Amino acid sequence: QKEVEQDPGPLSVPEGAIVSLNCTYSNSAFQYFMWYRQYSRKGPELLMYTYSSGNKEDGRFTAQVDKSSKYISLFIRDSQPSDSATYLCAMSEGNTGFQKLVFGTGTRLLVSP
Amino acid sequence: NAGVTQTPKFQVLKTGQSMTLQCAQDMNHEYMSWYRQDPGMGLRLIHYSVGAGITDQGEVPNGYNVSRSTTEDFPLRLLSAAPSQTSVYFCASSFDVNSPLHFGNGTRLTVT
Repeated sequence: QKEVEQDPGPLSVPEGAIVSLNCTYSNSAFQYFMWYRQYSRKGPELLMYTYSSGNKEDGRFTAQVDKSSKYISLFIRDSQPSDSATYLCAMSEGNTGFQKLVFGTGTRLLVSP
Repeated sequence: NAGVTQTPKFQVLKTGQSMTLQCAQDMNHEYMSWYRQDPGMGLRLIHYSVGAGITDQGEVPNGYNVSRSTTEDFPLRLLSAAPSQTSVYFCASSFDVNSPLHFGNGTRLTVT
């Protein structure tokens, strides 16, 4: 069983929809939780990160961490065609910071005009 | 700033050949790392470096060598390429181990 599980999708939504992307994990030592966006043929770019539990909001994006359930989410409000990409969750243990990230396989999101 | 630059963008090797994937960053970042990305596997850490002269192994280091003689460069060497090393390789850097990673745009390697 992988340490981090993520539905590969694709997830297809119409423009303006609210998108929910999720990951589950098994390692209770994970303390850093990140979401990366990856466009085709490009490297991942960091969207948001949180330390330990709680919510974090940045514009149309909200990240949530539920450590009791070992479950993290990324919500995208008012989704745009430009949001079409693969979204990767990543995590690391508290003592390693961003040193040793464990990634999910990514969820492909398609937002149609 | 160019950020993290990886060369080449594409490469085809025959089994047993050697090559070096180049990675350079101009952000004066201390921490650098190499990941490989395979379908259904996600990105996996190969090697990382916390500063010039210091390297360590990640999750999948076998078949790869690294060195870090300068802050700017972190090359990844394949000594004897195998088809199992067909992948997309990403280099990443950060100011320090507690800062977010910046990724390059990858090198797509095919080993036949």
